[in-house]
Amino acid sequence: GESVGLHLPTLSVQEGDNSIINCAYSNSASDYFIWYKQESGKGPQFIIDIRSNMDKRQGQRVTVLLNKTVKHLSLQIAATQPGDSAVYFCAENRGRDDKIIFGKGTRLHILP
Amino acid sequence: KAGVTQTPRYLIKTRGQQVTLSCSPISGHRSVSWYQQTPGQGLQFLFEYFSETQRNKGNFPGRFSGRQFSNSRSEMNVSTLELGDSALYLCASSLDNQETQYFGPGTRLLVL
Repeated sequence: GESVGLHLPTLSVQEGDNSIINCAYSNSASDYFIWYKQESGKGPQFIIDIRSNMDKRQGQRVTVLLNKTVKHLSLQIAATQPGDSAVYFCAENRGRDDKIIFGKGTRLHILP
Repeated sequence: KAGVTQTPRYLIKTRGQQVTLSCSPISGHRSVSWYQQTPGQGLQFLFEYFSETQRNKGNFPGRFSGRQFSNSRSEMNVSTLELGDSALYLCASSLDNQETQYFGPGTRLLVL
């Protein structure tokens, strides 16, 4: 069945701190992983992706880590800002001809 | 470049009716995917079209169908609407599978 999931449904972080959002996947054949951010009333917005031949990828204030041994994916947001408040989804793709499967999402709350 | 557009943005229908939703991808993108988003089930994949052919299909009943035109614009149709079909329907386009997907704002469907 669908296997991409998130460890925590809600995460509260102090403004300025780093945020870490986790995701587990169960299909070892998955070779492409994506993180999306969805703000209220909007469609998901691409944040960063990573392919299975990498274990780390950095973007602007974001880092994705992939641990294929334990099938775990994480998104790190540095110096969290109020604008980072949103629901974050991880997604996996099990091959170029296969569909993308989304996790349930984690809501990130920024505390003042 | 203009982003992914979806029409209509909001729709109210009654049980038993049918509905057609439209998606215009980003210019040059040939892959269009459709998703249903509900609070309980999260983002669920409906189908993906590439060059006018359905390439992938999710686990939805046959009441859900779609098509893609030669200009990559896509439509999805839901026949014999049920209350449980109330959801946000999202369309995403990309150059190809395993490439960055860009989402539209979605069509919010309410079935009464």
